[in-house]
Amino acid sequence: GQQLNQSPQSMFIQEGEDVSMNCTSSSIFNTWLWYKQDPGEGPVLLIALYKAGELTSNGRLTAQFGITRKDSFLNISASIPSDVGIYFCAGLPNAGNNRKLIWGLGTSLAVNP
Amino acid sequence: SQTIHQWPATLVQPVGSPLSLECTVEGTSNPNLYWYRQAAGRGLQLLFYSVGIGQISSEVPQNLSASRPQDRQFILSSKKLLLSDSGFYLCAWTGDQGPQHFGDGTRLSIL
Repeated sequence: GQQLNQSPQSMFIQEGEDVSMNCTSSSIFNTWLWYKQDPGEGPVLLIALYKAGELTSNGRLTAQFGITRKDSFLNISASIPSDVGIYFCAGLPNAGNNRKLIWGLGTSLAVNP
Repeated sequence: SQTIHQWPATLVQPVGSPLSLECTVEGTSNPNLYWYRQAAGRGLQLLFYSVGIGQISSEVPQNLSASRPQDRQFILSSKKLLLSDSGFYLCAWTGDQGPQHFGDGTRLSIL
C-alpha cells in the first residue's frame, strides 16, 4: 500500500540538541499528523495540521504543513531524555478514502543524557 | 472525554489456537474503528477498519478476521493462529474525520 517517505530513519543526539524530521509524499494530502510511540504503548497524537502552510506548536514541538501539501516536518527543540521514542507521520490523502491514514515508517529517536 | 480500551495487554498462544482481541471505545458514538498490526520495530499495517456495526473492510488478505457487534466494540479474531501472526496489535478510533486515537495495544506471541 501507499506509504509516506519519512526521514531520517533513526537519530542519536545529545540532550539539549534540536531535532528535525520530515515526511514527503508524491501526492497531495489534506491533513498531516505527527504521533509519538513509547515502547510497548500505542502512538499518541502530538500535532495535527489541516491547512497548507500551517505552523503549529505543542510545547517544544513545532510542525508545519508544507505549502505544496506534499510534505510536513516536525522539530523538537532542546531535547530531553523523555523525548526518546518512535515518531510517526501520517496523512489523509486529498483524494480517495478519507478514513484511512497513510503512514510513514517512523523515526527512532535516542537521546544521550 | 473519549477513551479507548484494549485487552488483554499481552497474550501468549500456541500455534493453531484461536484468538479474540477486544477493543471498546467510550464517550463517543458511531466512531470509525481500526485494527493495526505493528511488527517488531516499526511501521503500522492497517488490517481492518469499520465505519459502522457489521461493516468491516479488510485491507490485506490474512489469517485474521474482524467483527463489530456493537457500535463501540471491535473484535479481532482468528480460528487458527500462525507463527507469523505474532506482533503488536493496536486498535484506534476516529470521528467522521480527524486524527486517530490509539489504545495501548496487545502484545501477541505465538509459540
